[in-house]
Amino acid sequence: DVKVTQSSRYLVKRTGEKVFLECVQDMDHENMFWYRQDPGLGLRLIYFSYDVKMKEKGDIPEGYSVSREKKERFSLILESASTNQTSMYLCASSFAVLNTGELFFGEGSRLTVL
Amino acid sequence: GESVGLHLPTLSVQEGDNSIINCAYSNSASDYFIWYKQESGKGPQFIIDIRSNMDKRQGQRVTVLLNKTVKHLSLQIAATQPGDSAVYFCAENIWRAKLTFGTGTRLTIIP
Repeated sequence: DVKVTQSSRYLVKRTGEKVFLECVQDMDHENMFWYRQDPGLGLRLIYFSYDVKMKEKGDIPEGYSVSREKKERFSLILESASTNQTSMYLCASSFAVLNTGELFFGEGSRLTVL
Repeated sequence: GESVGLHLPTLSVQEGDNSIINCAYSNSASDYFIWYKQESGKGPQFIIDIRSNMDKRQGQRVTVLLNKTVKHLSLQIAATQPGDSAVYFCAENIWRAKLTFGTGTRLTIIP
């Protein structure tokens, strides 16, 4: 089975702190994604990556950055956390085949910024 | 702007009945659609998908219908069970593997 592992299930940080959310997948997937999930807004794409050291902005990249130094690992970085970044963050991965969009999701990381 | 949306945010269904969850999309270029199920405390899980050259696809107890004329997608769950209680998302694929998700419908199964 595909496994997408997010390093932290729950985090509490203070405004202005730098936050790292880590995600690792074990199926050699080319594509990796970071979404945030908020009630009533569904899942919104923050950043995605099609290959090592490649990154593309999603729909809401402001206030975030990402790093993909290895194929299996995709990190989401909040350079200076703000309260409006309190949310559930979901990492996902998929094969690279065009138009095959099935994503495999991690369990999520719930971040609270005080 | 482009959007993927759901008609109803919540749906309650008697156990054993069939349920239908609807989804509207606005991008006519979308060529691939997926339904996901998210149980409490878990990440979304794939249920079923359909390509734009099809109008119906069946899985185990689930059927997805696609009406491209009115840009409408639906998920039918037959003989609902307590384990079907979850939030259901539709998603559309416009480019490569980038998906746009709807806001979700919470399905509650009444015993």
